[in-house]
Amino acid sequence: QVQLVQFGAEVKKPGASVKVSCKVSGYTLAKISMHWVRQAPGKGLEWMGGFQPADGQSIYAQRFQGRVTMTEDTATDTAYMELRSLRSEDTAVYYCVTGIGVDGRNYYFDYWGQGTLLTVSS
Amino acid sequence: ETLMTQSPATLSVSPGERATLSCRASQSVGSDLAWYQQKPGQAPRLLIHGASTRATGLPARFSGSGSGTEFTLTISSLQTEDFAVYYCQQYNNWPVTFGQGTKLEIK
Repeated sequence: QVQLVQFGAEVKKPGASVKVSCKVSGYTLAKISMHWVRQAPGKGLEWMGGFQPADGQSIYAQRFQGRVTMTEDTATDTAYMELRSLRSEDTAVYYCVTGIGVDGRNYYFDYWGQGTLLTVSS
Repeated sequence: ETLMTQSPATLSVSPGERATLSCRASQSVGSDLAWYQQKPGQAPRLLIHGASTRATGLPARFSGSGSGTEFTLTISSLQTEDFAVYYCQQYNNWPVTFGQGTKLEIK
């Protein structure tokens, strides 16, 4: 059984960066297409990007291009999502999720971490 | 980007009754449609993929149908644990997109 373990919360000031981690247990990160989905308070779900095993590259939603980097440490089975130039609108719960791909670019998501709450406030 | 519209925003149903949730796509997504359930304070949980394929272990009272632009999630006999927010997600067109959710509440 795949488990995705995330730390509970981060607090950052506007303009700062955050690096959220996601530890995989019960499986091997190298065999997973890991993605990140966020949810602002009281709002819906938004896909941010994820890893495409077919080409070994991460793909990002256009609105996060240039501000987000998703990386993986397969030695420790830990995935990371770094978001830079934070603003108050980035306040949200950030979930790591495992993607099931249909065409190498589009995925649905079967396993979810418990989420990391990021609060951006001065 | 494909816009996913869910209706209604809130659905009030009594336990034991049937609930029907709708999801409409702004362009065809074929059968590449998933449904998720989210309870307060929890991460979403995959229920359905491929528009009608139940996730492992999902009770048979949950069923999905539709193709193209119109989709439905039906819960045949509501249990108290089914009251939650439900999201649809298309994964046919890049980027994948979610609906805004339907809150299923106890009547």
